[in-house]
Amino acid sequence: GESVGLHLPTLSVQEGDNSIINCAYSNSASDYFIWYKQESGKGPQFIIDIRSNMDKRQGQRVTVLLNKTVKHLSLQIAATQPGDSAVYFCAEKLSGGSYIPTFGRGTSLIVHP
Amino acid sequence: TAGITQAPTSQILAAGRSMTLRCTQDMRHNAMYWYRQDLGLGLRLIHYSNTAGTTGKGEVPDGYSVSRANTDDFPLTLASAVPSQTSVYFCASSADTNTGELFFGEGSRLTVL
Repeated sequence: GESVGLHLPTLSVQEGDNSIINCAYSNSASDYFIWYKQESGKGPQFIIDIRSNMDKRQGQRVTVLLNKTVKHLSLQIAATQPGDSAVYFCAEKLSGGSYIPTFGRGTSLIVHP
Repeated sequence: TAGITQAPTSQILAAGRSMTLRCTQDMRHNAMYWYRQDLGLGLRLIHYSNTAGTTGKGEVPDGYSVSRANTDDFPLTLASAVPSQTSVYFCASSADTNTGELFFGEGSRLTVL
């Protein structure tokens, strides 16, 4: 899994499997979390977000889970496809004031056909 | 819709020379950001702007300056480039600083020799 500030981990999965990408955050004052996807040679792209008053949020084939007790965030991708191969970043926002996005170092997802 | 446009796409620069990376958005977003991305370090915020006429320092502002004369443009200037500024630079924008949905450009790869 990923933690803001650690080296880039890699997750390899088979096409069709479900993928779970993890992110640990250290600041308990963070109240808003976002997942981004970055394909090779491109800029990051917003996937889904979740606020701290929620535990779960679903999008198209993606689900984000937030566990504030252990300060852990995960992104679940259902039926992973080769097009999902990318680096995934989690970002957090501290409560109050302007939003200054702080990104983790990312997890590389490799999907094998 | 173009979204975020960055120029140049790639540049090789001699150390000590100055360089301006251009960033233009056509979404009328209030907030804009500059990040650098280095292998294993993820995305690090250089400078940001909440709205036209205001700028702020991010995590790694030294050696860089920005201006926000209007809503659409947010140029990043390296006054005297050093090899440690070799990186991929991403410009991003968001509607305001209360949302985590940033829209990124395709990046500018800068090599300082």
